[in-house]
Amino acid sequence: EVQLVESGGTLVQPGRSLRLSCAASGFNFEDAAMHWVRQAPGKGLEYVAGISWNSGSMGYADSVEGRFTISRDNARNSVYLQMDSLRTEDTALYYCAKDEGAVAGFIDFWGQGTLVTVSS
Amino acid sequence: DIQMTQSPPSLSASVGDRVTITCRASQSVANLVHWYQQRPGKVPQLLIFATSTLQRGVPSRFSGSASGTDFTLTISSLQAEDFATYYCQQSYGTPTFGQGTKLEIK
Repeated sequence: EVQLVESGGTLVQPGRSLRLSCAASGFNFEDAAMHWVRQAPGKGLEYVAGISWNSGSMGYADSVEGRFTISRDNARNSVYLQMDSLRTEDTALYYCAKDEGAVAGFIDFWGQGTLVTVSS
Repeated sequence: DIQMTQSPPSLSASVGDRVTITCRASQSVANLVHWYQQRPGKVPQLLIFATSTLQRGVPSRFSGSASGTDFTLTISSLQAEDFATYYCQQSYGTPTFGQGTKLEIK
């Protein structure tokens, strides 16, 4: 059974940093691209970042480029999102998501999400 | 980033109706458009990938098609469980989502 368990979400002040983690199980992690997608309260889905199976390719939304960094550790079956210079508009539920393939395509499984609140 | 303009933002319909949701890409995205359903309080679920291929387990009343940079999700006969929010997503470039269409009961 595929499982994605996010952690690290919390209340943080604007300008501070936070690192999200996602622990994966139930599939060949090293074969799949991975993504972070967020959803602000009452709003739609927003793509945040993605990473290919071997970390050879990463992609970011314009809204987080230069502030967020995605990484993965295939030995630990984990993907991470380092979020720096956080803004109030980064407040959202952050989903870890598994791609159907090795490079960015479509998402065939989503975690339950971890909530990040940016507020003073 | 490639923009996906989704319409309508909301739609009221009745059980048994046929409904259509459209996404227009800001440039060519080949056939790399996918559709998701999100029920209230739940995580999104993949419905259709690569324009028209149904994900395993998705009912055949869902279908997808394209004409140029316009992509369409059609539900042929609405069922009660279909009232949800639908999103398109492109993967030709760095992925982006449409703004969503909330399908409500009339």
